[in-house]
Amino acid sequence: NAGVMQNPRHLVRRRGQEARLRCSPMKGHSHVYWYRQLPEEGLKFMVYLQKENIIDESGMPKERFSAEFPKEGPSILRIQQVVRGDSAAYFCASSQDNNEQFFGPGTRLTVL
Amino acid sequence: GIQVEQSPPDLILQEGANSTLRCNFSDSVNNLQWFHQNPWGQLINLFYIPSGTKQNGRLSATTVATERYSLLYISSSQTTDSGVYFCALGGSNYKLTFGKGTLLTVNP
Repeated sequence: NAGVMQNPRHLVRRRGQEARLRCSPMKGHSHVYWYRQLPEEGLKFMVYLQKENIIDESGMPKERFSAEFPKEGPSILRIQQVVRGDSAAYFCASSQDNNEQFFGPGTRLTVL
Repeated sequence: GIQVEQSPPDLILQEGANSTLRCNFSDSVNNLQWFHQNPWGQLINLFYIPSGTKQNGRLSATTVATERYSLLYISSSQTTDSGVYFCALGGSNYKLTFGKGTLLTVNP
């Protein structure tokens, strides 16, 4: 049973570009969560999704950030017009029935 | 929201030593997990333990939900145990709140 998959593992963008981060949950998992790990700030919840629904986006910045989990395909975290402060590790997790969450390897975003 | 405090913040051990990491939390929880973030940045699930005691090899964990704390025990530590250990809690909404972690360094 493959674990949570994220791609790309490393992403470099210049200021003002868009970043798209992808997450495929574990087989059989219908709950997806995104977390961000900023240097010196620890891991913070961003958004919780189920298929075609955003359940809780209380941790998402109000502008430039969006997330989706379509009926078919991976969950996408999209960051528009990236700034240097967006540089961080972005982790996706998945769970079955809101219990134990399993994390992917993360995407390390660097904004030049 | 839930407050999560981990102690100690840093710990240096010689290979073969035992250690106990502590996680205190402020509210009742539905989910408590321990993770190891290795030097490559990957988050490895150690335990899902909202209550009770579990063991996996040299690692074990205990959560006393009524007293709002959890302990992670590492016995006979190895250099590969080095990294950051996180405690994370989920309340009624299941999003995880992470502690700041314990940075463990195991020297040969």
